[in-house]
Amino acid sequence: KQEVTQIPAALSVPEGENLVLNCSFTDSAIYNLQWFRQDPGKGLTSLLLIQSSQREQTSGRLNASLDKSSGRSTLYIAASQPGDSATYLCAVRRRGGTGKLIFGQGTTLQVKP
Amino acid sequence: DAGVIQSPRHEVTEMGQEVTLRCKPISGHNSLFWYRQTMMRGLELLIYFNNNVPIDDSGMPEDRFSAKMPNASFSTLKIQPSEPRDSAVYFCASSKQGLGNTIYFGEGSWLTVV
Repeated sequence: KQEVTQIPAALSVPEGENLVLNCSFTDSAIYNLQWFRQDPGKGLTSLLLIQSSQREQTSGRLNASLDKSSGRSTLYIAASQPGDSATYLCAVRRRGGTGKLIFGQGTTLQVKP
Repeated sequence: DAGVIQSPRHEVTEMGQEVTLRCKPISGHNSLFWYRQTMMRGLELLIYFNNNVPIDDSGMPEDRFSAKMPNASFSTLKIQPSEPRDSAVYFCASSKQGLGNTIYFGEGSWLTVV
């Protein structure tokens, strides 16, 4: 059974810091891994999608890496801003079966001005 | 692109009443997902349609829950009768066919059953 874990559950940093959010998964048989952002009272916004054959993806100040063999992904946020405050969720798409998307519980980030 | 559209955004209903949540996926997307989000359990997949056909409904909690997708542009999730433990945010999401594609979420329907 695929399990996805995100550590830490919450993080508070001062503005301007570079930070790393972690995601681990127990079964390396995945199609891809997707990082989402969720603002309070809102839906999920897709940030980055990494296919299983890829090592990393970048979008602006965000960089996501994937190490399938060790079951880990990281989301790197450069020069954090108060507007980055949100909950960040990672999800893996299982290989085999119906390809369900399995979510972690998320990391809630607060960037203080 | 309008994105995934869900209605209602908020609903408060009394225990025992029927609740119907609606979803319009992004045009051209063949896959549609219903998720439920709670503090205790996080995001859980309830049901997944591909080309209007239910592919995986193993997450539907019990017979009180049912979902339909009569055409490519509309889906409903129905709870009958509703119970207080059904209170949650229900998300609809869609993607193009194929497991390698990005999944896009709607804004959610916030359900409170009292």
